[in-house]
Amino acid sequence: TQLLEQSPQFLSIQEGENLTVYCNSSSVFSSLQWYRQEPGEGPVLLVTVVTGGEVKKLKRLTFQFGDARKDSSLHITAAQPGDTGLYLCAGLNAGGTSYGKLTFGQGTILTVHP
Amino acid sequence: NAGVTQTPKFRILKIGQSMTLQCAQDMNHNYMYWYRQDPGMGLKLIYYSVGAGITDKGEVPNGYNVSRSTTEDFPLRLELAAPSQTSVYFCASSYRVTGPVTEAFFGQGTRLTVV
Repeated sequence: TQLLEQSPQFLSIQEGENLTVYCNSSSVFSSLQWYRQEPGEGPVLLVTVVTGGEVKKLKRLTFQFGDARKDSSLHITAAQPGDTGLYLCAGLNAGGTSYGKLTFGQGTILTVHP
Repeated sequence: NAGVTQTPKFRILKIGQSMTLQCAQDMNHNYMYWYRQDPGMGLKLIYYSVGAGITDKGEVPNGYNVSRSTTEDFPLRLELAAPSQTSVYFCASSYRVTGPVTEAFFGQGTRLTVV
């Protein structure tokens, strides 16, 4: 069973602080995605990382894929109340017997206080 | 664009009843997924499909069944509902031929309560 472990599970910070969310696995994924989910809605894609060591930036958000493609991190600079939400990482298996399987981590609930 | 459409949005079932959650996508996506999400938690994969006629189990398939007779539709069947199946169910679809998979588009979810 492929597992994606996210940490921390909960994060409560003040506006302007920086934070990092981690997504770790013992399995190799062909690509890894980060989603954000608002209450009552489905998750919405933030980014897809494919190459080991890849770094992508989306405004104040920086995403990194580990060299071995087993882990990833999401770093938010100068967090704002609008960043509040549930952040989810998801790994895609593109080969073997689990071809096409998209597995999600348990999520990180981020609350940014004004 | 309709995207991914799930029906119903809400449902209350009695223990032992059965029902089918409907999911349809109009984006010609080959990959489709069913997840369940408990409050404040991530998504657990129930079943997935990489194309019509092909389905496979995810992490938590017990108590559920699926079929994929067409590219567009991926219904999830609950037999003999149990309180442990109370959850929000999300259907998703994405597209991949080679290379990285595209964004997974999600439906609005079905909130199911088993009493």
